[in-house]
Amino acid sequence: KQEVTQIPAALSVPEGENLVLNCSFTDSAIYNLQWFRQDPGKGLTSLLLIQSSQREQTSGRLNASLDKSSGRSTLYIAASQPGDSATYLCAVASGNTGKLIFGQGTTLQVKP
Amino acid sequence: NAGVTQTPKFQVLKTGQSMTLQCAQDMNHNSMYWYRQDPGMGLRLIYYSASEGTTDKGEVPNGYNVSRLNKREFSLRLESAAPSQTSVYFCASIPSLGQAEAFFGQGTRLTVV
Repeated sequence: KQEVTQIPAALSVPEGENLVLNCSFTDSAIYNLQWFRQDPGKGLTSLLLIQSSQREQTSGRLNASLDKSSGRSTLYIAASQPGDSATYLCAVASGNTGKLIFGQGTTLQVKP
Repeated sequence: NAGVTQTPKFQVLKTGQSMTLQCAQDMNHNSMYWYRQDPGMGLRLIYYSASEGTTDKGEVPNGYNVSRLNKREFSLRLESAAPSQTSVYFCASIPSLGQAEAFFGQGTRLTVV
């Protein structure tokens, strides 16, 4: 059974700091891994999608890496801003049906 | 371009009442999902539909039923609501299982008293 874990559960940093969010999964047979952002009371917005054959994806100040063999992904946020404050979730598509399994999320607060 | 639309946005039910949560997507996606989100628990998969005409159980299907009415619509039904079903429910769609990014609705906040 695929299990996804995110550490830390919460993170508070000063504005301008570079930071890394971690995601680990137990079954390396995945189709892809996605990082999402969720603002309070809102739905999920996809940030980055990494296919199983890829090692990383970049979008603006965000960079996500994938190491399937070790079952790990990281989301790197450069030069953090207060507007980055949100909950970040990772999810893997795996199994014979490829359904999405989520981690519990990391709640980020960026202080001005 | 609406994406994934869920109705209603908020609902309060009494224990034992029934209701259906509606979800529709306009992106011609094959696969659709229903999740619930509880504090500290992340998103847990209730049911999913890999394609029109098929449905399968996820991690927490007890107390729920689903219908894939057509390619656009995937509904979630609570036959006899219980306080343990108080949660935020999200519908999502992707082109096909394991393919491309998922799109989520804005959620339905359900309270069962």
